[in-house]
Amino acid sequence: GAVVSQHPSWVICKSGTSVKIECRSLDFQATTMFWYRQFPKQSLMLMATSNEGSKATYEQGVEKDKFLINHASLTLSTLTVTSAHPEDSSFYICSARAASGSGTQYFGPGTRLTVL
Amino acid sequence: DAKTTQPTSMDCAEGRAANLPCNHSTISGNEYVYWYRQIHSQGPQYIIHGLKNNETNEMASLIITEDRKSSTLILPHATLRDTAVYYCIVRGETSGSRLTFGEGTQLTVNP
Repeated sequence: GAVVSQHPSWVICKSGTSVKIECRSLDFQATTMFWYRQFPKQSLMLMATSNEGSKATYEQGVEKDKFLINHASLTLSTLTVTSAHPEDSSFYICSARAASGSGTQYFGPGTRLTVL
Repeated sequence: DAKTTQPTSMDCAEGRAANLPCNHSTISGNEYVYWYRQIHSQGPQYIIHGLKNNETNEMASLIITEDRKSSTLILPHATLRDTAVYYCIVRGETSGSRLTFGEGTQLTVNP
């Protein structure tokens, strides 16, 4: 149980285009989903927290107009990187926390974004 | 959430127990200790968590000191596949709480 999926697992795009990443909780309902970013040889950095049906809360320094987050249902959240630039190239990882139970966060496998 | 301190790296022989320490001296009464690991180029994997009692599951054991200021994650029989970065994280249980990752411990299991 407690499986989180992400799609796509990797994506290469041209500078200036937008990329959407999907995060799904497959066997549980997630009231809260989190988006992290990880650069090479660094730890995970939280970008934003989203609760189903409400606006996401962004961490300091993360541009909300550039990283659009939608949490439309209890099993799906999407992150759209708008007008991507090479410096946005990174490993994006989502996490979901169950609506019930211990509240443990489970992570997706990550999406490798490369912007040319 | 309280800050944690972990050694940067550790080595362990295959088949032996791996004991990973974590200091969290500023932990407060309602904060849990969580352990995750991240194998290269994958998302973090949940291992175990606890409040004040020792915990054990199929992956590992978590030993928390009586004063809760430190804990040890024990992998009883380490395998090569346990090579990963292990993160010790303290988190409250309120709805707004989230996991904040430090640098973790790079555990290398050697044959």
